[in-house]
Amino acid sequence: SQQGEEDPQALSIQEGENATMNCSYKTSINNLQWYRQNSGRGLVHLILIRSNEREKHSGRLRVTLDTSKKSSSLLITASRAADTASYFCATSAYSGAGSYQLTFGKGTKLSVIP
Amino acid sequence: DAGVIQSPRHEVTEMGQEVTLRCKPISGHNSLFWYRQTMMRGLELLIYFNNNVPIDDSGMPEDRFSAKMPNASFSTLKIQPSEPRDSAVYFCASSYAGRGFSGNTIYFGEGSWLTVV
Repeated sequence: SQQGEEDPQALSIQEGENATMNCSYKTSINNLQWYRQNSGRGLVHLILIRSNEREKHSGRLRVTLDTSKKSSSLLITASRAADTASYFCATSAYSGAGSYQLTFGKGTKLSVIP
Repeated sequence: DAGVIQSPRHEVTEMGQEVTLRCKPISGHNSLFWYRQTMMRGLELLIYFNNNVPIDDSGMPEDRFSAKMPNASFSTLKIQPSEPRDSAVYFCASSYAGRGFSGNTIYFGEGSWLTVV
């Protein structure tokens, strides 16, 4: 079953605006990651935030994590047409036998209109 | 760094035929994953290997699917016989973990787009 659920499913904004995507999950996690997928391509890792971190920045990306609410958000500031893609959150949780499993949500499809 | 390499990129096959998808992980990575992506079900983990050993294959849909990793630089996912509902994008991904998959970043290939008619 899906661990992370993104919201909204689709988002359309004008170039220059900020885009915010949310992710909710159900069980305890080791870390949470965000990936981007351009149409017809594989997923590319954007940023990882550990369960003991609350906020992380990378360029125009800002990720927050609230473990009490089991939720995360990805903010893309000053969006560009090239940011048009699907964005997935992935939660890493202990799956037993000394290993972790990374489970992906269904993604938010972001369209940035020039 | 060449990244994760998958082949074929696109395959169209007839129902009942055998399909073999291939993957070369990033050199030095010791965890390898096969995912399937469809519009309806999103991205599903089919199986993952650690140090060439299958660790979790609970996501493999049924006996028609099998995966092997004969060495650290090669893996295959086989579907026999294929059915139209197997049409999807199949991704291979790899990661480095000291001991078992530790939830680190994983690196995806560009995918194999399978259509079964």
